Amino acid sequence: DIQMTQSPSSVSASVGDRVTITCRASQDISGWLGWYQQKPGKVPKLLIYGASDLESGVPSRFSGSGSGTDFTLTISSLQPEDFATYYCQQGHSFPVTFGQGTRLEIK
Amino acid sequence: EVQLVESGGGLVKPGESLKLSCAASGFTFSSDWMHWVRQAPGKGLLWVARINNDGSNTAYADSVKGRFTISRDNAENTLSLQMNGLRVEDTAVYYCTRDRPGPYHYMDVWGKGTTVTVSS
Repeated sequence: DIQMTQSPSSVSASVGDRVTITCRASQDISGWLGWYQQKPGKVPKLLIYGASDLESGVPSRFSGSGSGTDFTLTISSLQPEDFATYYCQQGHSFPVTFGQGTRLEIK
Repeated sequence: EVQLVESGGGLVKPGESLKLSCAASGFTFSSDWMHWVRQAPGKGLLWVARINNDGSNTAYADSVKGRFTISRDNAENTLSLQMNGLRVEDTAVYYCTRDRPGPYHYMDVWGKGTTVTVSS
């Protein structure tokens, strides 16, 4: 199985900050990487697929990059509604696997 | 509106069975692969199973293989998960999700989830 490792596990930031979350795959997954946002008590939401393609309706302050084994999710200017937990997920092969999550908290 | 609505969760004892259902609407259900994903209390996301669009091909996480069965009824726009031999560690919210149309596998539509609690 492909292991997905996110860092950091949690991060504190302020509104307006630029934040980057990283995700590393245990083997080459090309660009088949997705990012999800989950707010407390809510359902996960797909933000980015194919490492860098923004899902419809997702604000442009979210961006993704990377290929192979190393990927990043960047939020260019944090908004109050962005404080949530973020998960990466490899869509390259089964079993589909998720990272352990990164909790983004208000500083 | 694209929608997935799960049902069938509940409290069961270890070793017992439960069947989850997911009613799909607002899209052509028979065209899309579907998944079940679960989330234990306070934990992350874990993929459970997937089924292709016509139901002829399935895949399972090792942790549920041989105990869970995913199936679908395209005439009724319904996805199911039969769970046998339930264990305490199967306690979680179970989400029905749609495989995003296109190459490879992402989940673009999620139901609100149904809670399964396994406890003696």
